[in-house]
Amino acid sequence: SAVISQKPSRDICQRGTSLTIQCQVDSQVTMMFWYRQQPGQSLTLIATANQGSEATYESGFVIDKFPISRPNLTFSTLTVSNMSPEDSSIYLCSARTGLNYEQYFGPGTRLTVT
Amino acid sequence: KQEVTQIPAALSVPEGENLVLNCSFTDSAIYNLQWFRQDPGKGLTSLLLIQSSQREQTSGRLNASLDKSSGRSTLYIAASQPGDSATYLCAVGDNYGQNFVFGPGTRLSVLP
Repeated sequence: SAVISQKPSRDICQRGTSLTIQCQVDSQVTMMFWYRQQPGQSLTLIATANQGSEATYESGFVIDKFPISRPNLTFSTLTVSNMSPEDSSIYLCSARTGLNYEQYFGPGTRLTVT
Repeated sequence: KQEVTQIPAALSVPEGENLVLNCSFTDSAIYNLQWFRQDPGKGLTSLLLIQSSQREQTSGRLNASLDKSSGRSTLYIAASQPGDSATYLCAVGDNYGQNFVFGPGTRLSVLP
């Protein structure tokens, strides 16, 4: 299994600013992901964080808006850039590990943009 | 493209009832299927993981079944308790285990 922590747990930010969310896993994992969950909605995959290379983004998400780093097998960051109120969401870090590819989630970061 | 649906969208039951949540997916070529629980404003907690070769998994009062040929999974909760109140999501892993597609969730309320 994997235990995932995220910082910050929540933040209120002003339009036009940027926020970096940190994700730490307690063990080395092969795959790490970032999801967004807008109010009342299910999860949408933003990107797969690749260790040592550029992240792989899903349709509708771009690196300039959501730059991602993954310097090693246990840590990743997601930056939400030039924020607007539409970016208000819960951002979730997840990891898959083991031969079964079981997926684990962090507690999420609740972002409000005013 | 894989699509996942969940029925019902919301469910309210009295404490002690047994209940079934449904998950359907359009592409039967899956690697695995995972059920999660999400409390309001929180992250997801993994409940059960079923590999494509398995028919069911059990953990305590929870039992999840998988029928790949019909594109369905069910989550059975026995003797429901108010603490079971949460949103339950199913997620389907594609045939390479690389991508998960989430359903919209079922919001469960168990009334004391």
